[in-house]
Amino acid sequence: AQSVSQHNHHVILSEAASLELGCNYSYGGTVNLFWYVQYPGQHLQLLLKYFSGDPLVKGIKGFEAEFIKSKFSFNLRKPSVQWSDTAEYFCAVNDASGGYNKLIFGAGTRLAVHP
Amino acid sequence: NAGVMQNPRHLVRRRGQEARLRCSPMKGHSHVYWYRQLPEEGLKFMVYLQKENIIDESGMPKERFSAEFPKEGPSILRIQQVVRGDSAAYFCASSREGLAPYNEQFFGPGTRLTVL
Repeated sequence: AQSVSQHNHHVILSEAASLELGCNYSYGGTVNLFWYVQYPGQHLQLLLKYFSGDPLVKGIKGFEAEFIKSKFSFNLRKPSVQWSDTAEYFCAVNDASGGYNKLIFGAGTRLAVHP
Repeated sequence: NAGVMQNPRHLVRRRGQEARLRCSPMKGHSHVYWYRQLPEEGLKFMVYLQKENIIDESGMPKERFSAEFPKEGPSILRIQQVVRGDSAAYFCASSREGLAPYNEQFFGPGTRLTVL
């Protein structure tokens, strides 16, 4: 069965610090990978996605993620975080075995950025 | 351009009551997905519906839970005889197409169900 692991459940950073959130997945087929963000009181928004091609994916708000097939990883990075990045971040893999999207999510990482 | 709408945002029920959660997809979207997020866990797929059809309900508990997406009106997730373990955040997502992998799911704000 597919699964997604996010190793850090809570991360606290100061503004301007660099961010890396880990995500590992287990899935035997072709993977589509996503990072979603949920700001306090708001709905989930797509940060970035990987389908194929360049394994380094650029997303919105300065985020990027790198797909490393040999490590089954899709870590999220940002060189310099801002207070407004305080949110919960979810990694997800797409189970497309049925021909449609069925997202498998990790448990999430709560990021708190202090000014 | 309204996004995915869910209501109510917060719902409190006593054990044994029924909970009805509504989801209006984005305009032009005919595919709806329901996910549940238990405390300290990630979102778990429950059910995928197209208009008037349930395509995949493999993630939905066999008893007390049902979902529909009628020709007119919102999608409804119904939980009968709620128990404390049903307390969770329920998220709805919609997409324009159903074919993977190019369809993107847009999420609503969620309904937080609390069972007393």
